[in-house]
Amino acid sequence: NAGVTQTPKFQVLKTGQSMTLQCAQDMNHNSMYWYRQDPGMGLRLIYYSASEGTTDKGEVPNGYNVSRLNKREFSLRLESAAPSQTSVYFCASGRANTEAFFGQGTRLTVV
Amino acid sequence: QQQVKQSPQSLIVQKGGISIINCAYENTAFDYFPWYQQFPGKGPALLIAIRPDVSEKKEGRFTISFNKSAKQFSLHIMDSQPGDSATYFCAASKNTGFQKLVFGTGTRLLVSP
Repeated sequence: NAGVTQTPKFQVLKTGQSMTLQCAQDMNHNSMYWYRQDPGMGLRLIYYSASEGTTDKGEVPNGYNVSRLNKREFSLRLESAAPSQTSVYFCASGRANTEAFFGQGTRLTVV
Repeated sequence: QQQVKQSPQSLIVQKGGISIINCAYENTAFDYFPWYQQFPGKGPALLIAIRPDVSEKKEGRFTISFNKSAKQFSLHIMDSQPGDSATYFCAASKNTGFQKLVFGTGTRLLVSP
């Protein structure tokens, strides 16, 4: 039972490079989310997808784009990475107003 | 603007003691208050959650106390164990049909043997 799977687990980028973080869930959840976690700041919502075919901005969307490819997959793209985007990124999924399940995270360093 | 304020930032408790972590929220529309537990290198996992129609919820050694009028809720860990050493996050969301959580800043708990 995989749950929420994120790839890659670690990534180092140079400033200005682009990359896509992948996320897939096998729990048939409608909603999916991308959070970033920074020391002393908790988890902050970047983008979310309430259902397949919809996406919306969260608290810190600048510098990111997302794609809800299908019900299972929700990707996060950094078009031009900046050092301020060094963080741990978590994908999550869930049903309406119940528990959110998180992936293992992607540790991204931008140099 | 921090909608959910969590304290303390870190906590050291002796084995067998009680760990208490507090959170306060601002938005009265919030109606779901979960606590997440995170071990190093792992994603957060739901520990226990409460809705505002009850003032307390207990699951094993973990209890949430909820004070709607004060807009505060807290996590109590009874008989704390070294295996409880982790980072704990409180969170809140409102019923919009999906789970858009607002997290506190986290508390790093260390339970000493």
